[in-house]
Amino acid sequence: GAGVSQSPSNKVTEKGKDVELRCDPISGHTALYWYRQSLGQGLEFLIYFQGNSAPDKSGLPSDRFSAERTGGSVSTLTIQRTQQEDSAVYLCASSPGQGDYEQYFGPGTRLTVT
Amino acid sequence: RKEVEQDPGPFNVPEGATVAFNCTYSNSASQSFFWYRQDCRKEPKLLMSVYSSGNEDGRFTAQLNRASQYISLLIRDSKLSDSATYLCVVNIGGNNRKLIWGLGTSLAVNP
Repeated sequence: GAGVSQSPSNKVTEKGKDVELRCDPISGHTALYWYRQSLGQGLEFLIYFQGNSAPDKSGLPSDRFSAERTGGSVSTLTIQRTQQEDSAVYLCASSPGQGDYEQYFGPGTRLTVT
Repeated sequence: RKEVEQDPGPFNVPEGATVAFNCTYSNSASQSFFWYRQDCRKEPKLLMSVYSSGNEDGRFTAQLNRASQYISLLIRDSKLSDSATYLCVVNIGGNNRKLIWGLGTSLAVNP
């Protein structure tokens, strides 16, 4: 079946512009995560959605970052007034639910802020 | 102290070698543990979960030592295709969102 998809695969933007990154999770997966990974660094948790519960936003680095998940499926991560330090690969993952389920990752969006 | 720590490597080993990685975690209440694999410029993928009694999947063996708060991954008869970064992941709470990711250990298997 279809895996997690993300778009765009690459995004180059100028400092100060807003960007939107999209994630389509695996159908039926109730949990959705956003991470970012800078070059040579580990995964940094950003935000987590589980069903209809309030999202866990504890990993968002600043108020320029926000995310929403519509209809319990597609999610959009928005970065306002991008800065050069926002350059990274943004990874989305989904899993069947809470608990010790495998996380399935999308291919990521490589964001470059010039 | 970081919540999850790994030796970044790189580990350079010849084909056929046995190699082992450790990962230490700081939260004694950690409940579950995983090894993920990440190829260069690719997304992470689950390699195996780590069970209290230890578990084996082909050439891969995972162990958990709760007393010393570490998990290990042993790869026997390593293949060129095993070259990747191995990420240690720890669930420190009851919900999956409390996964803490290590920075990974880089393995290069050489012909």
